[in-house]
Amino acid sequence: GQQVMQIPQYQHVQEGEDFTTYCNSSTTLSNIQWYKQRPGGHPVFLIQLVKSGEVKKQKRLTFQFGEAKKNSSLHITATQTTDVGTYFCAGSGGYQKVTFGTGTKLQVIP
Amino acid sequence: NAGVTQTPKFRVLKTGQSMTLLCAQDMNHEYMYWYRQDPGMGLRLIHYSVGEGTTAKGEVPDGYNVSRLKKQNFLLGLESAAPSQTSVYFCASSSTSGSHEQYFGPGTRLTVT
Repeated sequence: GQQVMQIPQYQHVQEGEDFTTYCNSSTTLSNIQWYKQRPGGHPVFLIQLVKSGEVKKQKRLTFQFGEAKKNSSLHITATQTTDVGTYFCAGSGGYQKVTFGTGTKLQVIP
Repeated sequence: NAGVTQTPKFRVLKTGQSMTLLCAQDMNHEYMYWYRQDPGMGLRLIHYSVGEGTTAKGEVPDGYNVSRLKKQNFLLGLESAAPSQTSVYFCASSSTSGSHEQYFGPGTRLTVT
């Protein structure tokens, strides 16, 4: 079955440093979604990428979808303490269900 | 709108006991999902439903059953709980149009002793 791996599993950064998490799929994806889960909370949708090579920005967050549609990345510029949480990618071959990555837990040190 | 709600929020079971987790959504979504979340494992799909009266197996369906008798409700049953089913369970729903983003409930923390 489809497997979606994320690296790194954990990342500690000083506030103000940049952060990147990478997502790799064993199969070609039709789309990829990103979610954020705050400690003790539930996953919340951030964005969806559909096109090969697509880049989208949300303030300090930049999302990329690879040319082969098998990988994706999330980059946060100048992290803040509000960025703390676990970031998940979720890949899909269609729209009925997605496969979540293992997640990257981000800790921001003030 | 309440979004996606789950009951109960917490539960402790003894091995062999049964229980049902209830998920309800008020967004008229067609798709509904049950996930379990374990440390270092991300979210793993247990069962899902693409419409009222239909269900399908996900990645880790063994030991669980589901029913979708009404469009707004998705029930997850554990017939004979095992310690390996200790986890946090999330329900989610999504629309068939737009971005297909999944809306998650607050989760149920289940401990099986």
